Amino acid sequence: QVQLQESGPGLVKPSQTLSLTCSVSGGSISSDDYYWSWIRQSPGQGLEWIGYIHYTGSANYNPSLNSRVSISVDTSKNQFSLKMSSVTAADTAVYYCARVVPTTVSMVEPKYYTVDVWGQGTTVTVSS
Amino acid sequence: DIQMTQSQSSLSASVGDRVTITCRSSQSISRFLSWFQQKPGKAPKLLISAASILQSGVPSRFSGSGSGTDFTLTISSLQPEDFATYYCLQTFSSLTWTFGQGTKVEIK
Repeated sequence: QVQLQESGPGLVKPSQTLSLTCSVSGGSISSDDYYWSWIRQSPGQGLEWIGYIHYTGSANYNPSLNSRVSISVDTSKNQFSLKMSSVTAADTAVYYCARVVPTTVSMVEPKYYTVDVWGQGTTVTVSS
Repeated sequence: DIQMTQSQSSLSASVGDRVTITCRSSQSISRFLSWFQQKPGKAPKLLISAASILQSGVPSRFSGSGSGTDFTLTISSLQPEDFATYYCLQTFSSLTWTFGQGTKVEIK
């Protein structure tokens, strides 16, 4: 059973770069079917999709964060990472890494992607 | 951008009640809609994908329906462990995915 675990600093200073890593265990990150995602949740708020990456390196990012966000993958370590630059207090949140998988309903319908496995989340506070 | 609206930010219900949570998208998203349950301090848990496909291990009292712009998550008989916040997620647009604001199911 695949498990995900986030790691990284819990405190980042304003204007610096937030860096988090997600370690994947119980399965290979190098699967054609899967994407790997970062999602965050600000205190007392809802969920915000940050972006996702395929093991080939193909990635998509939330346009509202696009210029500050980069997601990379290290297949040799079975990990993927998030970097977010120029952080402010608004970036204080619980950051989740997650697996994106396709749901196949029928052969004539498209694959409906969803998020099926989540890490436990890591709290990142932006403060001086 | 596709906006997802859960019109009820919270609702109160009793154990045994039938509960319906709605999610509306700003444009048609076919069946690219998932439902998640989140309890305090925990990561969200996937309940339903492709609008109506119940995930393995999820109790059958949960069901999802809808296509296009209007979607519903139904809990047929609310159990004590179902008190939580529920989120919808659209994955129609490959450019950006969006969650609904969440609906908190509280004890009446």
